[in-house]
Amino acid sequence: AAGVIQSPRHLIKEKRETATLKCYPIPRHDTVYWYQQGPGQDPQFLISFYEKMQSDKGSIPDRFSAQQFSDYHSELNMSSLELGDSALYFCASSLGGLAVSYNEQFFGPGTRLTVL
Amino acid sequence: QQPVQSPQAVILREGEDAVINCSSSKALYSVHWYRQKHGEAPVFLMILLKGGEQKGHDKISASFNEKKQQSSLYLTASQLSYSGTYFCGTGGNDKIIFGKGTRLHILP
Repeated sequence: AAGVIQSPRHLIKEKRETATLKCYPIPRHDTVYWYQQGPGQDPQFLISFYEKMQSDKGSIPDRFSAQQFSDYHSELNMSSLELGDSALYFCASSLGGLAVSYNEQFFGPGTRLTVL
Repeated sequence: QQPVQSPQAVILREGEDAVINCSSSKALYSVHWYRQKHGEAPVFLMILLKGGEQKGHDKISASFNEKKQQSSLYLTASQLSYSGTYFCGTGGNDKIIFGKGTRLHILP
């Protein structure tokens, strides 16, 4: 079965650089979520999109922005990178945005971002 | 509001049972349980929606109390493959808020 695809899987950037992470949800899934997970931490919700509209926002820094495109893939844009941005970034997808509380989220393999 | 998980860590021998608890001071819309192995994505285990609900598959089951403020995950006759970090998450709006996780280590 098709899963959530994330690219790149690994990314190394310098401080103050920009990064773009991409997420391709499971076919027919209309809701995408982004999570940030630091070492030994729980996944922290960043932002979500349902039918290409932002549906909820968590602890996402102003330096980050995201969007969902017409084909439902999503991109997380990160600017002015800081050392503390080093983390695993997961994208998840589900079906049925407004009822997300009741639908399982399928996680992608993650992008490991290292900021030097 | 972040749910509270307990214990923080568990070490078991293969074949032993484990219980992981997840609680909140307010009633939850739903409870999601995930298992994550080091460096990998969280894997969905199950979701509970109704107070008093119990569900499970194989040797992993979960319950949701009537007030929808506490959920427990039961791992029976644990296997080496059960090792990992277990997260409960509360559903609400368009996100899941995860607890801090319970690290489970199974010894042969």
